[in-house]
Formats: sequence, C-alpha cells, structure tokens
Amino acid sequence: EDKVVQSPLSLVVHEGDTVTLNCSYEVTNFRSLLWYKQEKKAPTFLFMLTSSGIEKKSGRLSSILDKKELFSILNITATQTGDSAVYLCAVHLQTGANNLFFGTGTRLTVIP
Amino acid sequence: DSGVTQTPKHLITATGQRVTLRCSPRSGDLSVYWYQQSLDQGLQFLIQYYNGEERAKGNILERFSAQQFPDLHSELNLSSLELGDSALYFCASSGTSAKNIQYFGAGTRLSVL
Repeated sequence: EDKVVQSPLSLVVHEGDTVTLNCSYEVTNFRSLLWYKQEKKAPTFLFMLTSSGIEKKSGRLSSILDKKELFSILNITATQTGDSAVYLCAVHLQTGANNLFFGTGTRLTVIP
Repeated sequence: DSGVTQTPKHLITATGQRVTLRCSPRSGDLSVYWYQQSLDQGLQFLIQYYNGEERAKGNILERFSAQQFPDLHSELNLSSLELGDSALYFCASSGTSAKNIQYFGAGTRLSVL
C-alpha cells in the first residue's frame, strides 16, 4: 500500500528560527514529489522534485529529494509569522491516474 | 490566486440531501481533479477528468459523482448526504505537460447537519 508520512505532525518555533520538515514515502512507480503550503484554505504550490540531490530554492525555502532513502526535506530559514501554515507533501505516481497522494501534513506555528 | 475557481465557498445542508459543487479550472488546463479533506486527514483523491472524460477514480463513494462539461468546468455531485461527508472539497487543475503541477482552488466547505 502506498504511504506518505510527514514528521513532525506539528511544530512551534520562534521567529528567526530555522526549521526542517520531513517527508518519507513508500510508493510504487514514483514520478515526483511535491510540496504545498496550506494556510487558510487552498494548498499553494511550493516545489516539485524529480531528481535526487538537486536542491530547489525559493527565497528562504529550499527542498531536496533523496530517491535512494525515499525521503524529502523542506527547510525554512529565518522563519516569519507568515510562514505559519500546514505544509503538505505529496507524491505523484507514474500510473495512468495523475492524482497526487498526500501526507497528512506538518502544522508549523511561528510565534513572534 | 491559483486561477482555479470553486463555488460555493460554504454549503450547509441536512442529511439525506443532495448538493452540487462547481469548479472552473485555470485557463487552458484540461485536467480537473477533486479531493476531499476531512478533519485530521490529508487530502484524499476522489476523481479526475481530462477533457470531458473520466480519467481515474480514487476513494469516491457511489453516492458521489462528477462530470466535466465542454467548457471544461466540472461539477461534483454529492447525494444522500451523511454527517461524515462534512469536509473541505477541493478542485485542482493541471495542464498536459510532464510537469503536471496541480493548482488548487480555495475549496468548498460542506457542513452536513
């Protein structure tokens, strides 16, 4: 059975801290891994990772994939209160269906 | 703004009723996906349409159905509603490139009382 596990489930940090969110997966027919940020409602796209070892970066956020060990991390440096959200990891499978298989997310709270 | 539009934003109804949720994909996107997000659960894939045709089914109940119209908007129909159907329902759309990034709408919050 396909599985995507995120850890920790929740995290509270102070502004300025650096955080690392984890996503491990056990799936058949892996195609890519995606990270989304969900604030009030709509998940918004952050990164898509397809190759091992290549870091994707956007401002204070970065992410990397390890296809051998089957995990990805999302790093946020110099956190701000606006980073407070649920971060979702999803795996896109190389099957006929193009749906995403989501983990349950990590709830990040950044306090001033 | 993702470009994916969902209506209504909120829906309150009673058990046994039927509702229709609507989704307009981003301009040019042919694929539409429906997901359900219940409390303490991740997003669960329900169904995908591509250019008017059903492409894939996930954990969709038989009481639920969907369609995609020639103008590419999609509707999710939920019938014989139960309390457990209360959830956020998201629509996402994607293009046809290999990247296949899905962009999500703001969701419809369904409350079944």
